[in-house]
This record gives sequence, structure tokens and C-alpha cells, in this order.
Amino acid sequence: DTAVSQTPKYLVTQMGNDKSIKCEQNLGHDTMYWYKQDSKKFLKIMFSYNNKELIINETVPNRFSPKSPDKAHLNLHINSLELGDSAVYFCASSHSSRGRDEKLFFGSGTQLSVL
Amino acid sequence: AQKITQTQPGMFVQEKEAVTLDCTYDTSDPSYGLFWYKQPSSGEMIFLIYQGSYDQQNATEGRYSLNFQKARKSANLVISASQLGDSAMYFCACENQAGTALIFGKGTTLSVSS
Repeated sequence: DTAVSQTPKYLVTQMGNDKSIKCEQNLGHDTMYWYKQDSKKFLKIMFSYNNKELIINETVPNRFSPKSPDKAHLNLHINSLELGDSAVYFCASSHSSRGRDEKLFFGSGTQLSVL
Repeated sequence: AQKITQTQPGMFVQEKEAVTLDCTYDTSDPSYGLFWYKQPSSGEMIFLIYQGSYDQQNATEGRYSLNFQKARKSANLVISASQLGDSAMYFCACENQAGTALIFGKGTTLSVSS
């Protein structure tokens, strides 16, 4: 069983469209994250949720809206897609939101290409 | 603010040799953790090893070990007996100031040749 699964793996879309990426974890973790990896492979935190509550909301355009229906799911909805949104988006989870040894378990990533 | 620096964009090593990937960090927290992740060309992020700042010994996991020098704020990853499958990008990470997420360095690409 995949611990952190995200869909779709590839997403190709036109500028201006709205799209969603889904993420689910079956590890029983309390905290979930969205990271963005740009073309230079730099990984940056976007959002984190702890037990459905928003913990981190970095300086991300408000076209990006995370939604956590329960602690096992964290979806990312993106409105009015722009060329600069092209990147790999990783979902991750950890046992809790605080703790010095909280390693992250990552999904396999979603390659978003905006044309 | 916390910061991770990986100064080696690329490293090359022969099979069976050891290689050290550098990582320095900047944090004002007295207690912190450092992580290394591997990202092969297939794209997934794989956790390798963790070092707590108050751990008495350097962390080891199989062929991976951490050369942790607290006074120098460095946490270098040592891979012994390199294998072709070690070719990947390696990221060093630590917690952000609030301790609520990991922040990553820019990564080092390791190429292992036969």
C-alpha cells in the first residue's frame, strides 16, 4: 500500500484553467504538507495542515487554496493557472506538526505543466 | 531564520568509493534536527538519515552516516562504498523557526560511475 499517494502524476493544462491535485495518506499522521519544487529543484513549503487546521500558509498567491476534508486528505486547488505555476508539487505527511525528529513522508509528486 | 546551505551543485565519484556531501545550517534554536533526503531521477523523495542536535553520537543508517560538527554547524552526509544506484540529487533539511515544517537546501547532484 502506498503511504502517501497523490493524483494525478502528470497534469498538462492551459493558462487560465483551474485544476486540483489530490493527496491521501494512510499512515495515520496528523500533519500534511504541500511543497513546490521549481525547475531548479528548489523545494519550498507552501502549506501545512494539522488535523484539518491550517498551520502554515507561506507567501503563496491566493489562487492556491488547500482544502483538508479530514486529516488523511489534503487537496490543492489552483485557480487561473499561470505559466510560472509549472513545477512539481509534492504532498507530504508527518506524525505531528511539531517535534524535532518529525521526518516527512512524501508522495511521488505531480508534474504540472501550464502551456 | 533557519537556513540550509549546500555548496556543491555536483559531485562525481567512482563505484565503491566513499563520498561526502556538504551541508551547513544556520539556526538559533538550541534544539533542532537535521535530515537528508535522496531524490533519484524518478522523482520521489526518499528519507535517508536524521541527526538530532543533542544526539551523543553521529547518526548512521547502513552505508549512510552523518559527520555532525555542531560547533561548525555542519551536517555532512557520508556515503560509503558508492553504488550506481546512489546517483541522485541529495537534499539536506532542517526545521523552520516554528518547528512546523522542513526547509531544504538547494541540493547536490551525485553521479556515480563504474
